[in-house]
Amino acid sequence: AQSVAQPEDQVNVAEGNPLTVKCTYSVSGNPYLFWYVQYPNRGLQFLLKYITGDNLVKGSYGFEAEFNKSQTSFHLKKPSALVSDSALYFCAVRGRGAGSYQLTFGKGTKLSVIP
Amino acid sequence: DGGITQSPKYLFRKEGQNVTLSCEQNLNHDAMYWYRQDPGQGLRLIYYSQIVNDFQKGDIAEGYSVSREKKESFPLTVTSAQKNPTAFYLCATLAGGYPDTQYFGPGTRLTVL
Repeated sequence: AQSVAQPEDQVNVAEGNPLTVKCTYSVSGNPYLFWYVQYPNRGLQFLLKYITGDNLVKGSYGFEAEFNKSQTSFHLKKPSALVSDSALYFCAVRGRGAGSYQLTFGKGTKLSVIP
Repeated sequence: DGGITQSPKYLFRKEGQNVTLSCEQNLNHDAMYWYRQDPGQGLRLIYYSQIVNDFQKGDIAEGYSVSREKKESFPLTVTSAQKNPTAFYLCATLAGGYPDTQYFGPGTRLTVL
C-alpha cells in the first residue's frame, strides 16, 4: 500500500522568508510525486511533480520541491514567501505499476504567511 | 480548474434523501475520480473510472454510487445509506500516458440538514 505523511498540520512563516512544507512517502518501487495547492472552497491546483531525472523540480508560482530517495521525502520549498501563498498544500504519491491509477494524498498542511 | 465542471457549487439535502452530484469534463481524459474532503483528513477516494462503462470502488465507497455512460460525465449519487454525507466533494480526471497529472474540478459542498 502507498501512503503519504505531512507531519505538520500548520506552518507559519513571515513574508519574505523562505518556506518549507514537508512530505514523506511510502510506495513500492519508484514513485510519481505531486504537490497541489487549495484555496478556500476551491478545487486543488497542480503545482509541480516529480517523474524522473533531476531531483530538484521547479513548478508554478516560484515553488520547487526536492526529491530525496534515501529519505523518501519530497519537501516543497519557496525562497521568499508571499501573503498570497497562504493556502492548504497537499502532497500526493502514485506508484508506477501497471494499472496504477490511484493517487494517495497526505492530510494537508495549512500554510500561513504573516505580513 | 480547467475543463472540469461540477454542479451545483452548494447543495443542501434532507436526511434520507438521495442526491446526485454532477461532474463533466471536456479534456478528453480517460480516467475520472471522486474524492471526499473533510477538515483535517485530506482527500479520500470514493470511486474511480478508467474507461466508459467501468468503475472501481475506492477507500470509502459505502453509501455512494456512480455511473460512467459517457467519457465526459461521471455523476456521483450520495444515497441515504451514507451516514455522514456532509463534506466537500471533488471530481478529478487523469489523462493517462505521460505526463499523467490529475486535474480537479471546483468542488461541490454538500450539507445535510
